[in-house]
Amino acid sequence: GQQLNQSPQSMFIQEGEDVSMNCTSSSIFNTWLWYKQEPGEGPVLLIALYKAGELTSNGRLTAQFGITRKDSFLNISASIPSDVGIYFCAGPPGGGSQGNLIFGKGTKLSVKP
Amino acid sequence: NAGVTQTPKFQVLKTGQSMTLQCAQDMNHNSMYWYRQDPGMGLRLIYYSASEGTTDKGEVPNGYNVSRLNKREFSLRLESAAPSQTSVYFCASSEMIGTAFGYTFGSGTRLTVV
Repeated sequence: GQQLNQSPQSMFIQEGEDVSMNCTSSSIFNTWLWYKQEPGEGPVLLIALYKAGELTSNGRLTAQFGITRKDSFLNISASIPSDVGIYFCAGPPGGGSQGNLIFGKGTKLSVKP
Repeated sequence: NAGVTQTPKFQVLKTGQSMTLQCAQDMNHNSMYWYRQDPGMGLRLIYYSASEGTTDKGEVPNGYNVSRLNKREFSLRLESAAPSQTSVYFCASSEMIGTAFGYTFGSGTRLTVV
């Protein structure tokens, strides 16, 4: 089946640093979603992308829909301790907008004060 | 607060015991889902219900059953728990299946089978 590959698997950074992570697929996606899961909680939607090349921001977070439609990127600027968590990419497979979401395995972010 | 409510939050079962995980949403969503999350494995879909009255298998359905009781409620049952079912279980809902607006998740049920 289709898979989403996230990298890196984990990151250990200093407070104030910028963070970059990505998500790739061998198939085309028409929608990319980025979720954050804090310890002991369920994932929460951060950003949704609907168009190739689209760049969308949510505070210090910026996500991009890759022009090949096979990848997406999430950047966090000036990280703070509350950015700690697991970041998941997700999307409906098959090049459409329907069908169950599939999720990447996540990038675990740790921030040292 | 509006959202997805899961009960219980924690549960310990002995191998062979049965239990039902409850999920309710108050957002008038049509579709509901059950996922399990294991370290390094991400979120894997167990069962889903595209609309009231329908249920379908996801990626890892073996050992589980579900019931869409009404539009609000979607339960997950383990008939005979096994240690391999030790996991964190998440319920989610969405306006429609695969919606580009994403899913709303509950806070999870941490299940340990000994």
